[in-house]
Amino acid sequence: EVHLVESGGGLVQPGGSLRLSCAASGFTFSSFEMNWVRQAPGKGLEWVSYIDYSGSSIFYADSVKGRFSISRDNARSSLFLQMTSLRVEDTAVYYCVRDRRDSRGCSFDYWGQGTLVSVSS
Amino acid sequence: DIQMTQSPSSLSASVGDRVTITCQASQDISNHLNWYQQKPGKAPKVLIYDASNLETGVPSRFSGSGSGTDFTFTISSLQPEDIATYYCQQWGRLPPVAFGQGTRLEIK
Repeated sequence: EVHLVESGGGLVQPGGSLRLSCAASGFTFSSFEMNWVRQAPGKGLEWVSYIDYSGSSIFYADSVKGRFSISRDNARSSLFLQMTSLRVEDTAVYYCVRDRRDSRGCSFDYWGQGTLVSVSS
Repeated sequence: DIQMTQSPSSLSASVGDRVTITCQASQDISNHLNWYQQKPGKAPKVLIYDASNLETGVPSRFSGSGSGTDFTFTISSLQPEDIATYYCQQWGRLPPVAFGQGTRLEIK
């Protein structure tokens, strides 16, 4: 069974940093592209970042470009999101999401339970 | 970047009703459109992929249609367990992906 478990969230002051981790199990992690998606309290879903199988292709939403960095460790089946220069508007639940791309197309087929990042003074 | 406009933002319906949600893309996205269901306090779950394909294990009362810029998501007979927020999502060969604003579905 596929499991994605996020950790590393918490309360941080504006301008601070946090590193989120996602531990994956139940599938061959190195065979799947991965994403981070966030959801501010009471708001909709916002895609944050994408990384391909090897980490050689990476994309960010404009709202986090230059401040967030996505990475992965295939040997440890782990995904990371390094967040710096955090702003109040980065407050959200952050989801680790598997990207299924096959003959059926593309969808976000497995999501973690999310980890809450709160940015406040 | 492609923008997704989803409507309505909220909807109240009775058990057994047919419910329809629409999603419009700012440019042609072929059939690259998915629908997700998010129940309170839970992570989203994919229901429909590539505009009209039902994800494995999803009840057949859920369906999707459309291509190009205009898409529709339908629940043929609303059940109490369908109370959730629904999102459309556009995808392309490469990111970014875009979500619609969401439709909050309530029981009347």
